[in-house]
Parts: sequence; structure tokens; C-alpha cells
Amino acid sequence: EIVLTQSPGTLSLSPGERATLSCRASQSVGNTYLAWYQQKPGQAPRLLIYGASDRPQGIPDRFSASGSETDFTLTISSLEPEDFAVYYCQHYDSSPPRYTFGQGTKLEIK
Amino acid sequence: QVQLVESGGALVKPGGSLRLSCVGSGFTFSEFYMTWLRQAPGKGLEWISYITSSGPAKNYADSVRGRFTISRDNAKNSLFLQMDNLRVDDTAVYYCARPAYVSGLFWGQGTLVTVSS
Repeated sequence: EIVLTQSPGTLSLSPGERATLSCRASQSVGNTYLAWYQQKPGQAPRLLIYGASDRPQGIPDRFSASGSETDFTLTISSLEPEDFAVYYCQHYDSSPPRYTFGQGTKLEIK
Repeated sequence: QVQLVESGGALVKPGGSLRLSCVGSGFTFSEFYMTWLRQAPGKGLEWISYITSSGPAKNYADSVRGRFTISRDNAKNSLFLQMDNLRVDDTAVYYCARPAYVSGLFWGQGTLVTVSS
């Protein structure tokens, strides 16, 4: 079973700064089935990135992601006040179908 | 637009049962496999179950296998989760979700299940 480990647990930054979040898989997961979510208090997670680096329609281009095999990164180029939230990475395994999540990174205002 | 609305969350005693529902709209419900996930208070996200588009194939996380049953009624655009023998550690917000963009999920707003005596 794949384990996703996110770091850091908490990231304290100021608006306008660049945020870099990491997600490491316990074994190679390829690119196609890696996604990132943003979750704000009291809300459902929102899909930010799919296929390791692609943005759904409506996601601002300050959000970008990269990586392959076991190491993945989510970058927010210049933080806006609404970006302070918890971020999760997620892997989809099709055989058998299941989803695995990292433990989350809390992005807080410094 | 795509919408998922869960209902059925409640306060229930340990050992009790509960049935959650999720109604989908804005897409062809019968064409998509569906999932249930949950989030315990202050904790991370946990996938718990999956059902194929027409319903014959299902999968469960070990934490709920044998106690929870997923089902669907495509005629009513509805997904269900029957939860039996509930435990205190089943307390969570329960979300239904639909696949989005191959590897991602589109989530409903969630429904709260509290298991407590």
C-alpha cells in the first residue's frame, strides 16, 4: 500500500511570498494519478491539480505543480490571503480502486 | 453545474446504524463510478468506499469493510452508504465524490456523523 508523506506539516508565510509544499510517495506512483487539493475550514476539499501538474478550469495560474515517480511539489507563486488553508496530495490506484491521501500541510499566515 | 448533496448525518450511539444518501445533479450520474470519503474532526482525509457506474463492483477500506455497504440507484441519481455497528472512531464528516479529470475528485459539501453514547 502506497503511503504519501507531506512536508512540512505547517508552513508559515506572508502574503506575496512563494510557497513550496512537498509530497513524497513510498513507492513510484507515476504522474497520471497524483492530485492536489485545497481545503478551507468548514469546506469540502477543492481539486487544484490533477495528473501531477495540470490545473482544472478556474484554478488560478499562481498554483503550479511538478514531480514524478516518488517526489511531487505544489508551488504557489505569490500567496493571496485566500490561499491560507490546508493542502493535501492524493494518489488514485485503479487496481483495486482506492484513493490515498497525505496527512496535509497547513499553510498559515506569518 | 455539477452538484453533490449528502444527507442523513446524525448523532447515533455506538453499535447503531445509519444510512447516508448523496444526490448528484448537473451530470449523467449513471456514467460515473462514485466514492465515499470521510474526515474525522481535526484530522485528514480518508477514502472508505467505491462503487462502479452500474454497481456490480465495490471496494472498501479495511477500517469499514464488513460494517459499511455502498449502493446506488441510478434512476434516482443517488448514492448510499449503509453504516452498521458504528464505533466512536467513525465520527467524521462524510463526503460523497465523483471522479474529475482522471485522477481527481469533485466533492459534495459533506454530512456529519457523530457516534457517541
